Amino acid sequence: KAGVTQTPRYLIKTRGQQVTLSCSPISGHRSVSWYQQTPGQGLQFLFEYFSETQRNKGNFPGRFSGRQFSNSRSEMNVSTLELGDSALYLCASSSGGHTDTQYFGPGTRLTVL
Amino acid sequence: ELKVEQNPLFLSMQEGKNYTIYCNYSTTSDRLYWYRQDPGKSLESLFVLLSNGAVKQEGRLMASLDTKARLSTLHITAAVHDLSATYFCAVDAYSGNTPLVFGKGTRLSVIA
Repeated sequence: KAGVTQTPRYLIKTRGQQVTLSCSPISGHRSVSWYQQTPGQGLQFLFEYFSETQRNKGNFPGRFSGRQFSNSRSEMNVSTLELGDSALYLCASSSGGHTDTQYFGPGTRLTVL
Repeated sequence: ELKVEQNPLFLSMQEGKNYTIYCNYSTTSDRLYWYRQDPGKSLESLFVLLSNGAVKQEGRLMASLDTKARLSTLHITAAVHDLSATYFCAVDAYSGNTPLVFGKGTRLSVIA
């Protein structure tokens, strides 16, 4: 069974640009969550999508948005990039139940110059 | 607001020694997860603890959960170099569809 895949793996952008990251969950999984990982703040929850609907949202500005498609693939968009957005962005998929383990993808390393 | 604290944040161990990583959390929960992350890599699920008193073991690692004390431990037995990594605990709040809250992670280095 294929794992969670994320594309691209690395990105370099400049301030003010926007970026779209993609995540394909494990086959059959309907929940996709996104996390930002930085050395200073650790792992922070961005949002979760389940069956194309945003089910939970973390405490991030509106520049961070996402969506999920009918095949459960998810995209995350960050507009008007800031230096502080440089981070490893991880997505995780699960079946969507309360006790289901989240399986993480390899991440997208975003560098904002 | 759920807060998760791990300690220690950094741990240097000699091979063959035993040690314990602690994960405390601030509100009621009976779902706790342990993950491992190697440098530059993603998170790998180690254990899922779903009830008070739950104990899981895999190789040299053993995790336990005490929901009354709001404490989980990850015990390392006879450490080997391959266990060097960062270990995260993550807690799911008890009610509703809430996301996982992660601890800051414990960076473990096993030295000869």
